[in-house]
Amino acid sequence: DTGVSQNPRHKITKRGQNVTFRCDPISEHNRLYWYRQTLGQGPEFLTYFQNEAQLEKSRLLSDRFSAERPKGSFSTLEIQRTEQGDSAMYLCASSRDRTGNTIYFGEGSWLTVV
Amino acid sequence: DAKTTQPNSMESNEEEPVHLPCNHSTISGTDYIHWYRQLPSQGPEYVIHGLTSNVNNRMASLAIAEDRKSSTLILHRATLRDAAVYYCILNLPQEYGNKLVFGAGTILRVKS
Repeated sequence: DTGVSQNPRHKITKRGQNVTFRCDPISEHNRLYWYRQTLGQGPEFLTYFQNEAQLEKSRLLSDRFSAERPKGSFSTLEIQRTEQGDSAMYLCASSRDRTGNTIYFGEGSWLTVV
Repeated sequence: DAKTTQPNSMESNEEEPVHLPCNHSTISGTDYIHWYRQLPSQGPEYVIHGLTSNVNNRMASLAIAEDRKSSTLILHRATLRDAAVYYCILNLPQEYGNKLVFGAGTILRVKS
């Protein structure tokens, strides 16, 4: 296992710009999750995929956010028209689809909107 | 979502055992108990998980109460590298994508 890989690790952007984060899960993991974490808080669930199907989206995921996993492998999370409140760490995680199975997290992508 | 309750913070001396408690009184029969930890500026790291029986691995031990309404993560000899936020989480069932719902966790400080 090479682990869950996320890039870029850090992104500074101006308010109103679009940003995209990429996540490469552990190979053969068919579940992929996106979380967001702000300072001093635990990670908050955003969305998850089973293979290429996006099965759940949190209410935190506004219309400006879109996530894709086109071939059931890597995933992208795009934020359009960024706002300062979007500043956070965006975490990707993956697992096999078995109850109780371990979910592995990446190192996260830090977003700062100025 | 089934909730867990953890102390906000705990302190330990280096080389001593640490017992991190977690209450989950609303746990259902199929909920797994997971523990993750998070070091500053890193993603959460899996520590251990269990369903009913106590579990041991190279990182820690997990003691689960007989009624499953509480559990304790045991670090046998704390080191400075164990200073982190520890999250006790109930893994949601298959139909909810087995996703993890994080609380605030316990900040563990380790003194040398």
